[in-house]
Amino acid sequence: GAVVSQHPSRVICKSGTSVKIECRSLDFQATTMFWYRQFPKQSLMLMATSNEGSKATYEQGVEKDKFLINHASLTLSTLTVTSAHPEDSSFYICSARGLLGYGYTFGSGTRLTVV
Amino acid sequence: AQKVTQAQTEISVVEKEDVTLDCVYETRDTTYYLFWYKQPPSGELVFLIRRNSFDEQNEISGRYSWNFQKSTSSFNFTITASQVVDSAVYFCALSEEGYGGSQGNLIFGKGTKLSVKP
Repeated sequence: GAVVSQHPSRVICKSGTSVKIECRSLDFQATTMFWYRQFPKQSLMLMATSNEGSKATYEQGVEKDKFLINHASLTLSTLTVTSAHPEDSSFYICSARGLLGYGYTFGSGTRLTVV
Repeated sequence: AQKVTQAQTEISVVEKEDVTLDCVYETRDTTYYLFWYKQPPSGELVFLIRRNSFDEQNEISGRYSWNFQKSTSSFNFTITASQVVDSAVYFCALSEEGYGGSQGNLIFGKGTKLSVKP
């Protein structure tokens, strides 16, 4: 079945540094990638939607200059958290949708801790 | 606007009990999709089921069953003879039809934490 590989699974970084999270679709072409954020004991909240080769569409309240999304190919999308702060500590998870447009394949998530 | 409500925040049962997780949704679309996901402590999302709005047939998969009722906008999930391994957070989610007939993004409920005690 469809697989999305998400790395790293855990990362600890210092406040003010940037962190890049990668999601790769291994056996299908991900035309659309959704990026979610989940704070402890809360639900998944959509941050942004990106289509291959286009600029990402960000949800209200999500700073596009802080959360940089790149979806340059059909198999790779990245989320870069720039100038990370402790309040950015969260669980980030990607979800890919393929060419046929049905079904979602989730990455395994990245637990980011900013100290 | 679309919305998913999981009124039960936490449920605790003893092993072998049956348990039903409730999900109520709101949407103005006639074409939409409903999902259930399981999230164990490790964090990954495990897909359980996808149902489209035109298929009201109930589904059974082993100890899992789903009851979809459009009349009440509900898509409830029942685990029969629960096991400790069923302990997790369960999310109900909704997506509406997006561009070109494909699915739009997923809207999640707040989740129900199920604890199954031995």
